[in-house]
Amino acid sequence: ENVLTQFPGTLSLSPGERATLSCRASQSASSPYMAWYQQKPGQAPRLLIYGTSSRASGVPDRFSGTGSGTDFTLTISRLEPEDFAVYYCQHYSGSPPFTFGPGTKVDFK
Amino acid sequence: EVQLVESGGGLVKPGGSLRLSCEASGFTFSAFSMNWVRQAPGKGLEWVSSISSTGGDIHFADSVKGRFTISRDNVKNSLYLQLSSLRAEDTATYYCARSPTDFMDVWGLGTSVTVSS
Repeated sequence: ENVLTQFPGTLSLSPGERATLSCRASQSASSPYMAWYQQKPGQAPRLLIYGTSSRASGVPDRFSGTGSGTDFTLTISRLEPEDFAVYYCQHYSGSPPFTFGPGTKVDFK
Repeated sequence: EVQLVESGGGLVKPGGSLRLSCEASGFTFSAFSMNWVRQAPGKGLEWVSSISSTGGDIHFADSVKGRFTISRDNVKNSLYLQLSSLRAEDTATYYCARSPTDFMDVWGLGTSVTVSS
């Protein structure tokens, strides 16, 4: 099973700043794609990025995803107040299980 | 509007059972694999189970294998999760989620399960 590690655990930033969130897989899997989700308190997760770099419908272009092999990154170019949330990476190797990372919390500095 | 609505959660004693439902609308339910994902209070996301579009391919997380059953009714546009032999560690919000391929693009609001005596 591919174990995902996210870092940092918490990112303290101010609106307008750039956020760089990392996700590292324990092994380079046959399917190279990573997905990213945003979750706000009391809400369901929301898909942001799929296929490593494709934005889901309605996701602002300040969100971008990059990466390959075992290292993947979600970047928020300029934080808006509504972006303060927990972000999860997720990998799927072609058959279950789906694997989620432990999450990175982006909070106000 | 594409929507998933879960129901069936509640308080149950250890060793008890519960059946969760997820009703889909706004899309062709029979064309998509579906999943259950849970989140314990204050914790991260944990994939629980998946079922293919036809119901012919089913998978479970090791933590629930042998205790949970997943099924779907493509006529009723509904997904189900039968929870049995429940433990305190099964306490969580349970989400159903749609999978076009290797990600989950539509999520329900979740239903809460509490296992406690």
